[in-house]
This record gives sequence, structure tokens and C-alpha cells, in this order.
Amino acid sequence: GQQLNQSPQSMFIQEGEDVSMNCTSSSIFNTWLWYKQDPGEGPVLLIALYKAGELTSNGRLTAQFGITRKDSFLNISASIPSDVGIYFCAGQDSTLTFGKGTMLLVSP
Amino acid sequence: DSGVTQTPKHLITATGQRVTLRCSPRSGDLSVYWYQQSLDQGLQFLIQYYNGEERAKGNILERFSAQQFPDLHSELNLSSLELGDSALYFCASSAWGPGTEAFFGQGTRLTVV
Repeated sequence: GQQLNQSPQSMFIQEGEDVSMNCTSSSIFNTWLWYKQDPGEGPVLLIALYKAGELTSNGRLTAQFGITRKDSFLNISASIPSDVGIYFCAGQDSTLTFGKGTMLLVSP
Repeated sequence: DSGVTQTPKHLITATGQRVTLRCSPRSGDLSVYWYQQSLDQGLQFLIQYYNGEERAKGNILERFSAQQFPDLHSELNLSSLELGDSALYFCASSAWGPGTEAFFGQGTRLTVV
């Protein structure tokens, strides 16, 4: 099946720093989705991207759908402690394929 | 609240047993996805249904099966359970297949002892 390469695997940053993570795929997707998962909870949708080149913001979060439709990145600006969690990218065509996640730790 | 409801929230059962996990999608959503998440694994896609029909299959074991009913709720059946089946099982729903957002339930934590 399709594979998504998500990086970095984990990040440990100071509060106030900006964060960037990305996903690449060998296949084209019609939609890119970014989720955040807290321990023991279901993933929560943060941002959805529908068109190649699209740049979308949701508060301190910004995500882009790559021009080639094979990649996407997520930026978090001015991180705060509650940003801690695991962030997943997902590519959607006929189904929904997830990256392995980026664990984000934020030090106050 | 995503609008996707999964029951039960926790399940403890013995090896060799069979369990059924239930998912009610968001109102109006026709597509249901099932995922397995083990401790050190990401979200492994199991199976997808759209309006009652199987749409896509992932790495779902033969001991596992699922169906989507006319009222659009879905059930995931896990049989001959093994210790390694212990995991979080998530259901997600979307309005239709490609190009729409998928929303997740809170998951069912299955522990096989």
C-alpha cells in the first residue's frame, strides 16, 4: 500500500519557538489532512487541504499542500505547552493513509 | 466532540474470545473507516465502508471482519483474539470518499489477557 514519510519523528522545543513538520509520499493525493492526537484520545482534525499549492491557516497553525501533490507541511508558530501531542499527516485518495506521526514536546 | 461515537470505550477479554466494536458515524456521513493503533505503531488502516459497501481494505487480518448497516453504523468483529490484538481501535467517518474531511471517534481500547 501507499506509504507516507513523516518527519521529524519527534521534537523537543522551548515554549515560544516555531515548529515545522512535513510529510512526503510516493503517490499523489487529492487531499491532505493534519491531525493532533492526545494520549488515549482520538485524532482531532486540525487542517484540511484540497488543492495543490493551497496554504491554509488555523490560528497559530499553517499548512500547505505541495505543488506536486506528493507532500505537505505543517507549521506551528509561538508554541505553547498545550501543543504537546502527536501530529499526524494523512493523504486521501480512495482511502485515508496516515504518516507515523511526529511527537511534539514543549518545555515551559 | 467529533460527532463520531464508539462503544465500548474499554474492553478486556481473554485470548480466543470474540468481540464486537461499534461505531456510529456523524449524522449524514456515508463513509466509515476503521484503524488499529498499537503502542508503538501509527494508525494502521483496516477497512473502509461507503454507504453499506466495502470500499477499501488495508492490513486487516482474516480473523477480523466488519460491516456497515443500512442505518450507516458499523461494527468491527474481532475473533480468536490474541495478545497482540491489544490496541486502540478507531473509527472515522466522512461525508463521502475522496476529498472530504474525516473525523475520528474516541476509540475503543481493547486489552486481551
